[in-house]
Amino acid sequence: DAGVTQSPTHLIKTRGQQVTLRCSPKSGHDTVSWYQQALGQGPQFIFQYYEEEERQRGNFPDRFSGHQFPNYSSELNVNALLLGDSALYLCASSPDNRGTEAFFGQGTRLTVV
Amino acid sequence: QKEVEQDPGPLSVPEGAIVSLNCTYSNSAFQYFMWYRQYSRKGPELLMYTYSSGNKEDGRFTAQVDKSSKYISLFIRDSQPSDSATYLCATTQAAGNKLTFGGGTRVLVKP
Repeated sequence: DAGVTQSPTHLIKTRGQQVTLRCSPKSGHDTVSWYQQALGQGPQFIFQYYEEEERQRGNFPDRFSGHQFPNYSSELNVNALLLGDSALYLCASSPDNRGTEAFFGQGTRLTVV
Repeated sequence: QKEVEQDPGPLSVPEGAIVSLNCTYSNSAFQYFMWYRQYSRKGPELLMYTYSSGNKEDGRFTAQVDKSSKYISLFIRDSQPSDSATYLCATTQAAGNKLTFGGGTRVLVKP
């Protein structure tokens, strides 16, 4: 079992650009959540997708959007990048909406310059 | 005030010692409590979760939840250098809901 896989591992973008991060959930998991983790901080919830729809959203601006595909994989899009968007972006998957069994990927480290 | 507070450390202990970690939270609606371990440049790894108040033991790890004081703890017995990592507490109101994390405590176990 490959677990939760994220791509790319690292990314450097210029302020104002747009970025797309990708996540493949663990086999058998249909719920995907995205988190942002700034250096030295705990992860902050961005949003969650279930059955291709956004179910919950954290306190993030509309510049952050996402999508879930029929195969349960997911994308996180961030528009108009700001320096403050530099962080580790984590994808977590869980089965049947049981968030207590959330498994995280290794993350995508985004640097905005 | 953050919903979940955690001392950032670092907490340095000699190999073999007991590591004691704790978090406090403010929202009494939280029902599920988790502990994650995160190595540098890696994603968090779920160690344990408990539902409501009580204790749970798994090998060298013991998690405790006291909902009356809104206090959660993790104890690591016979600590090893490989336990050196950042430990994150997390909580949620219901299964499937978003996780709210503490800021993490960095632990160093010295040989």
